[in-house]
Amino acid sequence: GENVEQHPSTLSVQEGDSAVIKCTYSDSASNYFPWYKQELGKRPQLIIDIRSNVGEKKDQRIAVTLNKTAKHFSLHITETQPEDSAVYFCAASDTGRRALTFGSGTRLQVQP
Amino acid sequence: SAVISQKPSRDICQRGTSLTIQCQVDSQVTMMFWYRQQPGQSLTLIATANQGSEATYESGFVIDKFPISRPNLTFSTLTVSNMSPEDSSIYLCSVGGGGGTEAFFGQGTRLTVV
Repeated sequence: GENVEQHPSTLSVQEGDSAVIKCTYSDSASNYFPWYKQELGKRPQLIIDIRSNVGEKKDQRIAVTLNKTAKHFSLHITETQPEDSAVYFCAASDTGRRALTFGSGTRLQVQP
Repeated sequence: SAVISQKPSRDICQRGTSLTIQCQVDSQVTMMFWYRQQPGQSLTLIATANQGSEATYESGFVIDKFPISRPNLTFSTLTVSNMSPEDSSIYLCSVGGGGGTEAFFGQGTRLTVV
């Protein structure tokens, strides 16, 4: 099955700085890579996703890049704001189970 | 998109008892997923619930402990049986994700076993 590793586990940045979270996956057949933001006590919410036929995708301050050869993908948040503080999870679709396999999560703290 | 209603949102249960969590989706879906999120941890897939067939359980999860029902294409239940404090977690139902589509989650059930 799929295995997703995520780094770092915690990340603290100053407001206005950029934040980068990295994930690697093991199953070369995986073809869908979403990122979820989870605020304390709330359900995970999709913030951006990318499919394997695309190398990069951007939505305002958030971007995701995918390197299929190296089997890694990254989340980039620019001009961070305090409301970006949350736990972020990467995930990869598991074509066998047809479910998502999640990374271990990154706790992002944006200092005002 | 999908709207998922999950209940209860939280419960405190005595060890040795069972709790059934319900999940209702606003559209028909073939597969529903149940995840566990232990405190401060990531989401771990418990099982996949398919309508009309037995649920498929992941390694480390067994039907006797986590029986699942899927009576129709919009509803599923997960029971946590014979609970112990180690079962204290957030349980989430979900649809989508595996087929390259967005995954949606219920609001979660925060279970505390005392």
